[in-house]
Amino acid sequence: DAGVTQSPTHLIKTRGQQVTLRCSPKSGHDTVSWYQQALGQGPQFIFQYYEEEERQRGNFPDRFSGHQFPNYSSELNVNALLLGDSALYLCASSLLVGTDTQYFGPGTRLTVL
Amino acid sequence: DQQVKQNSPSLSVQEGRISILNCDYTNSMFDYFLWYKKYPAEGPTFLISISSIKDKNEDGRFTVFLNKSAKHLSLHIVPSQPGDSAVYFCAASVSYNQGGKLIFGQGTELSVKP
Repeated sequence: DAGVTQSPTHLIKTRGQQVTLRCSPKSGHDTVSWYQQALGQGPQFIFQYYEEEERQRGNFPDRFSGHQFPNYSSELNVNALLLGDSALYLCASSLLVGTDTQYFGPGTRLTVL
Repeated sequence: DQQVKQNSPSLSVQEGRISILNCDYTNSMFDYFLWYKKYPAEGPTFLISISSIKDKNEDGRFTVFLNKSAKHLSLHIVPSQPGDSAVYFCAASVSYNQGGKLIFGQGTELSVKP
């Protein structure tokens, strides 16, 4: 049973560029959440997708956007990258109803130069 | 506004002894709490959870205690093993069984010495 997968593993971009990160949820899960983890901090909630709609959103600017596909996989897009966007981006999947336990992927390490 | 706080950045314990990791929260609406373990270069791994209707949940060597009046939870690991060395995060949710977002603490790095 495959767990949550993310791609790419690492990414280096320059300021002002745009980036797309991808996530495939654990088999059977219908909800995908994205988190940003800065060095030395806990993960911070960006947004959550269910039935291809953004269901909840954290305190992140509109430069952060996402998408969920019919097969439940998801993308996180960040436009106009800033140096402060350098972080580990984590995808977590879960079932919307019945549990709040979210299972995380290995993350994508984004470095903005 | 840090709603979930782990005030100890690090903890060192001898193998075989008990590890106690602490977490405090401020939002009384939180009704579900989780602990995750994270190794470097990996995503957080779910360890154990507890809903606000309970005050204790046990799974093998791991026990989570919840004190709602003090807004405090703790994770006990007994006995501690070198493989338990990792960063531990507590997390909280305000919407049990409704897929709510998780609010994380800053993490505590546990080191278990042989």
